Amino acid sequence: GDSVTQMEGPVTLSEEAFLTINCTYTATGYPSLFWYVQYPGEGLQLLLKATKADDKGSNKGFEATYRKETTSFHLEKGSVQVSDSAVYFCALSDRGGANNLFFGTGTRLTVIP
Amino acid sequence: DAGVIQSPRHEVTEMGQEVTLRCKLISGHNSLFWYRQTMMRGLELLIYFNNNVPIDDSGMPEDRFSAKMPNASFSTLKIQPSEPRDSAVYFCASSPGQGRSYNSPLHFGNGTRLTVT
Repeated sequence: GDSVTQMEGPVTLSEEAFLTINCTYTATGYPSLFWYVQYPGEGLQLLLKATKADDKGSNKGFEATYRKETTSFHLEKGSVQVSDSAVYFCALSDRGGANNLFFGTGTRLTVIP
Repeated sequence: DAGVIQSPRHEVTEMGQEVTLRCKLISGHNSLFWYRQTMMRGLELLIYFNNNVPIDDSGMPEDRFSAKMPNASFSTLKIQPSEPRDSAVYFCASSPGQGRSYNSPLHFGNGTRLTVT
């Protein structure tokens, strides 16, 4: 079945460091891929998405490229800020079936000044 | 747009009591999802509705859990009787459009933190 595997945290970085959070997926079809972010005390919110192979999603300095050949959608940011501290979830949505949104387990990022 | 609104934000109750969690969807959204989040199990889909009709409730853990959508903009999740292992943060989320468009993002509420003692 469809699934998402993401890098286990927690991840702690200094401000302005480079961030990579790995995400790989398993899907039978051609899924859409998402990154959601959850700030403390809040619900998840969409950070970026990509709907087909080689698409790059980007938002707030974050980027992720849909790589079909490696079944990956790694999240990157060139220079993190303290305000980026949150939990990041990779997610997959396939074209078929009713219950078709799958979340990874989340990666907690802490950025220290 | 006020977003998805959940109430209460926090609920503390004793084992055996009935708990009702509430969710107001974003106007015009047709799909509604209830999730549960715990440290041990992460984010779990409990049930989702499309146009007020429950489509998949296979994630509902037990008969003690029930969810309803009495109208297009409102939903409740009820636990009766509650148990300590139900302690978690419960999120509802809504999505626009007809059916379950596979590339439509979900809009989450801020959650209800439930503690059952």
